[in-house]
Amino acid sequence: DSGVTQTPKHLITATGQRVTLRCSPRSGDLSVYWYQQSLDQGLQFLIQYYNGEERAKGNILERFSAQQFPDLHSELNLSSLELGDSALYFCASSVSGTSPYNEQFFGPGTRLTVL
Amino acid sequence: GENVEQHPSTLSVQEGDSAVIKCTYSDSASNYFPWYKQELGKRPQLIIDIRSNVGEKKDQRIAVTLNKTAKHFSLHITETQPEDSAVYFCAATRRGSQGNLIFGKGTKLSVKP
Repeated sequence: DSGVTQTPKHLITATGQRVTLRCSPRSGDLSVYWYQQSLDQGLQFLIQYYNGEERAKGNILERFSAQQFPDLHSELNLSSLELGDSALYFCASSVSGTSPYNEQFFGPGTRLTVL
Repeated sequence: GENVEQHPSTLSVQEGDSAVIKCTYSDSASNYFPWYKQELGKRPQLIIDIRSNVGEKKDQRIAVTLNKTAKHFSLHITETQPEDSAVYFCAATRRGSQGNLIFGKGTKLSVKP
């Protein structure tokens, strides 16, 4: 157990819908990263938050957004869902958001299926 | 931006043999290279990492080498065991990137008993 929690574990929804994925980082970690894992694309970095502020953006679609709350938990919002959004979404946390050397601890992931 | 290529995509070895997975990166400013292991249905977990000021690092049966000139790094697993079967991901990041990792597409390692 990494100490990072994600809910829900599984999510099944229809195209066009909107969902919210939730992540709680390890105690003491200020940085949260979101990754998308699909079979053909591997692990893709989406977005990073550090202590409530957006720090970096990767290959995140405009239909997706995220935020980090004062208690440091983070939510990833996915809207106007398409079949291709079906994937495993991981959140990871680390102590710092500025050093590349801090280990990122991954949560168990949320498996999203869009029908 | 950074791009990480990983080879091979699948690797099958006999128990006790060695396994080598190779990655190349494109951004010469990258300075941190972690390796993650993901067992089926589980989360990725860091198994070893190397910084750009180091050429090699070992941890028991696992070692990582880095060639900055060629911009490639490799994972070496010796005396493989069935529990080493998993998908292995290499990644790269650099100072100023806030630590976000750019991953290779993964190598599925199968160790046959």
